[in-house]
Amino acid sequence: DAMVIQNPRYQVTQFGKPVTLSCSQTLNHNVMYWYQQKSSQAPKLLFHYYDKDFNNEADTPDNFQSRRPNTSFCFLDIRSPGLGDAAMYLCATSRAPGTGTEQYFGPGTRLTVT
Amino acid sequence: GQSLEQPSEVTAVEGAIVQINCTYQTSGFYGLSWYQQHDGGAPTFLSYNALDGLEETGRFSSFLSRSDSYGYLLLQELQMKDSASYFCAVRDNTDKLIFGTGTRLQVFP
Repeated sequence: DAMVIQNPRYQVTQFGKPVTLSCSQTLNHNVMYWYQQKSSQAPKLLFHYYDKDFNNEADTPDNFQSRRPNTSFCFLDIRSPGLGDAAMYLCATSRAPGTGTEQYFGPGTRLTVT
Repeated sequence: GQSLEQPSEVTAVEGAIVQINCTYQTSGFYGLSWYQQHDGGAPTFLSYNALDGLEETGRFSSFLSRSDSYGYLLLQELQMKDSASYFCAVRDNTDKLIFGTGTRLQVFP
């Protein structure tokens, strides 16, 4: 089945230790998104890509970076995680520009910072 | 600013009908979507309204009134498995989704 896959599902890192979260998709969708979701809150968009065209949200901290080496894969790098970065990180896709209404989400990576 | 307001929590019993409202104020509007999210799970797309009126998909229906900047999700014949959080979301003119505050639905036997 076509899907959005995130690895790992659970990640524990130490304060200040860089961590990378990964996302892959078999849907061949053009657009990919990274969201941060904290408990009982709505998902908050961090970045999105139209193909390799990177779009950063104005309020996304510099500590967060992303890479999309090809259509299928996208990575979220947190350079120096703080305690406030503990959250669920969701990757999502949509088929093409203009179809962002219907997004397909991966299962998420729950990040714990100790 | 941009905001989408929803009730924080709704409770109902199995078999009942429940309506979750969403009012929005956004700089651009290209449709209202609804997503379901079970605890610990990922959001799942439920429905989308671009034009005014009612869209029906099985037990779920969604309504939009653009003149009132208002929409709702109607869930009929509630089942225990419908207990989840429900988010409305507006697609803005940059193709991004702006999510509402979320409504936690609890269905009781």
